[in-house]
Amino acid sequence: EDQVTQSPEALRLQEGESSSLNCSYTVSGLRGLFWYRQDPGKGPEFLFTLYSAGEEKEKERLKATLTKKESFLHITAPKPEDSATYLCAVQVLRDNFNKFYFGSGTKLNVKP
Amino acid sequence: EPEVTQTPSHQVTQMGQEVILRCVPISNHLYFYWYRQILGQKVEFLVSFYNNEISEKSEIFDDQFSVERPDGSNFTLKIRSTKLEDSAMYFCAPEGYTFGSGTRLTVV
Repeated sequence: EDQVTQSPEALRLQEGESSSLNCSYTVSGLRGLFWYRQDPGKGPEFLFTLYSAGEEKEKERLKATLTKKESFLHITAPKPEDSATYLCAVQVLRDNFNKFYFGSGTKLNVKP
Repeated sequence: EPEVTQTPSHQVTQMGQEVILRCVPISNHLYFYWYRQILGQKVEFLVSFYNNEISEKSEIFDDQFSVERPDGSNFTLKIRSTKLEDSAMYFCAPEGYTFGSGTRLTVV
């Protein structure tokens, strides 16, 4: 069964305290892994897509990496404005159709 | 900027009433997905639409739901007789992974 699990559920950091969020998946035929940022009451904002193990992408203080079983979102020297829920999703091909499965998210709170 | 605009941003409706949620894409997309997110829960796939037809739907997407492309550009999600448990954020997503700003549906 296709499954996506994110950990931790919640993370509290001091401003400048670097950390990593985890997204582990058990799917066959991964086509892509997506990271999003979601603010309360808003739609998920697309951050990155990773397609193959070993791939890395960076955007400002965020860096996403991918292995065959999991992805990490590394946050370097976070600021209070990085506080949000971070979602990951996997894209698989089933019956010639692209399906997306989402994790439950990690709620990040960065204190000044 | 999102690639789609969703209206209304917030809809309050009485149980049993019909609601229509709208999604207006900025550019042409062949694929359109609808998702919902109940407060505090995962984003869940509802239905995908390709070339003016439903291509896939989840078990959530029962006979109370329908999707249309009424004028060749806008997409609508209709819930025929709303239930309390339909209260959620509803998102449309061109190509499946870029999201609109969502419609918050509250059923009372």
